[in-house]
Amino acid sequence: NAGVTQTPKFQVLKTGQSMTLQCAQDMNHEYMSWYRQDPGMGLRLIHYSVGAGITDQGEVPNGYNVSRSTTEDFPLRLLSAAPSQTSVYFCASSSTGLDGYTFGSGTRLTVV
Amino acid sequence: EDQVTQSPEALRLQEGESSSLNCSYTVSGLRGLFWYRQDPGKGPEFLFTLYSAGEEKEKERLKATLTKKESFLHITAPKPEDSATYLCAVPDYGGATNKLIFGTGTLLAVQP
Repeated sequence: NAGVTQTPKFQVLKTGQSMTLQCAQDMNHEYMSWYRQDPGMGLRLIHYSVGAGITDQGEVPNGYNVSRSTTEDFPLRLLSAAPSQTSVYFCASSSTGLDGYTFGSGTRLTVV
Repeated sequence: EDQVTQSPEALRLQEGESSSLNCSYTVSGLRGLFWYRQDPGKGPEFLFTLYSAGEEKEKERLKATLTKKESFLHITAPKPEDSATYLCAVPDYGGATNKLIFGTGTLLAVQP
């Protein structure tokens, strides 16, 4: 039982490049979310999904896209990387939301 | 605007010195309050969900309590391995448990 798996763990991008952060869970959870964590700002919700084919925006969605074609996978796409997107990104999943989220180990992204 | 405020920002304790962390919130119609533990370089780890005022939950040296305006995380006789950042979170105003608002956390350091 791997839980929530995020890849890559570290990434350096140049401004304007695009990339996809991968997230997969093997717990058959319906709820999945992407957060970014910045010093002094706490965790902020980027996008979330309540099931395959259903996604919606969180607090800070600009510059990011998501899709949910399967229950297991929830990739996050950076369309055109900017230095302001330098952050640590966490993917999380839950069966109902109220039972707590399981977080991945994070992707540390630097945009230069 | 929904807010979650944690205090203190940082707390240094001697091993065995009990204390409490505070999480105050302004969300009305609370549907749950969550506590997480985060170790450096890792994703948050779920600890508790509290659903209603007066509820308490315990796990080893940790006890979480909830009132109508705040939650406390009591740490009894802490050990160095309890050192971590402790985060609290609540669902947003709409009560959507897939949209969590996190506090910025309390960094706890327990010295032997």
